[in-house]
Amino acid sequence: DAKTTQPPSMDCAEGRAANLPCNHSTISGNEYVYWYRQIHSQGPQYIIHGLKNNETNEMASLIITEDRKSSTLILPHATLRDTAVYYCIVSPRDDKIIFGKGTRLHILP
Amino acid sequence: EPEVTQTPSHQVTQMGQEVILRCVPISNHLYFYWYRQILGQKVEFLVSFYNNEISEKSEIFDDQFSVERPDGSNFTLKIRSTKLEDSAMYFCARIVVQAGDYGYTFGSGTRLTVV
Repeated sequence: DAKTTQPPSMDCAEGRAANLPCNHSTISGNEYVYWYRQIHSQGPQYIIHGLKNNETNEMASLIITEDRKSSTLILPHATLRDTAVYYCIVSPRDDKIIFGKGTRLHILP
Repeated sequence: EPEVTQTPSHQVTQMGQEVILRCVPISNHLYFYWYRQILGQKVEFLVSFYNNEISEKSEIFDDQFSVERPDGSNFTLKIRSTKLEDSAMYFCARIVVQAGDYGYTFGSGTRLTVV
């Protein structure tokens, strides 16, 4: 079973920052926080991952709380193409990943 | 750029028939995974494959399923006798073990329809 809790859906206005929360209160010391998204029926797409430090790449930022029990994925300027299901996953590096139900993000024009 | 190519993109088969789904990753991949997604449901782990052996499999991956890497490049998932409930999207994924590795890359999937 997935070890994370995410809201089932969220809305965000186009051009605004989308902040997607995730709770992972039982995360272990060797587990990373991964974020993936799935647009319609395409294959899941990697977004970002982190262990304990905040991370940023060209797609998004990942903010992990100091106790590592929760995190937030930030899409800084959401576009319509960011409409997707976003999955927060905790997993040891190189281990299989288990998908939950994710958050369905709707970007509103 | 595509790093994991899956063929075919869509396969229609009759119940009871065998199907082979193919994944063509870049040659230096070590870990491979198969996942499936029944329409409207979440992505489910099927099996992981490392160094030409199954390293882990889920309860879904029963005797009807098998995986192999027959020629050192293609990575196949075989379903021996398909059932209606095998209809799903099947995704292959790879991970490369090296410094700076940053997660899984999934293929675009094969849509299997069993009629």
